[in-house]
Amino acid sequence: NAGVTQTPKFRVLKTGQSMTLLCAQDMNHEYMYWYRQDPGMGLRLIHYSVGEGTTAKGEVPDGYNVSRLKKQNFLLGLESAAPSQTSVYFCASRAAREGRETQYFGPGTRLLVL
Amino acid sequence: KNEVEQSPQNLTAQEGEFITINCSYSVGISALHWLQQHPGGGIVSLFMLSSGKKKHGRLIATINIQEKHSSLHITASHPRDSAVYICAVSSEASGSRLTFGEGTQLTVNP
Repeated sequence: NAGVTQTPKFRVLKTGQSMTLLCAQDMNHEYMYWYRQDPGMGLRLIHYSVGEGTTAKGEVPDGYNVSRLKKQNFLLGLESAAPSQTSVYFCASRAAREGRETQYFGPGTRLLVL
Repeated sequence: KNEVEQSPQNLTAQEGEFITINCSYSVGISALHWLQQHPGGGIVSLFMLSSGKKKHGRLIATINIQEKHSSLHITASHPRDSAVYICAVSSEASGSRLTFGEGTQLTVNP
């Protein structure tokens, strides 16, 4: 099993450009999450999904959109990138069942917006 | 004030030392998680606990629900333990979401 994978690993964008980050998991997990990690701050939740076709806003959703058309994939979109979105982005997934709350993280995507 | 506070922010130890990292939280929780972030950036879950104590190898995690406090201990520390250790909680209000502390950077020197 690959676990949680993220594509791409690294990207440089110019201000105003758009891009999509892909997260894929092969553990049949119901819940999926997108976080950003910035220096001096803890991981912050951008958006999350508790099942195929459902998404919800997290702590810092502005400037991002998400879609969960398939259970195994969770896409994070930046419609018009801004330098403030320079960050490391992590995807995570977990099972829905009580007692199985451990989150499994992807390797991260480093995004630089110039 | 953050919902999850970790101390210390940075910790340097000599190989073999006993290490303690602390986590305090201010909300009612359903579970507390300890995670490790390697220098290369990958994040792995070490423990999930809602009461008492758990042990895995040289790592021990404890939680005191009444005091809203958890500790992560590393016995006989080794340079390969150098990483960022992150405390996170899932609260009754947040359900499936985690709230993270800022992390503790641990460096173990040989």
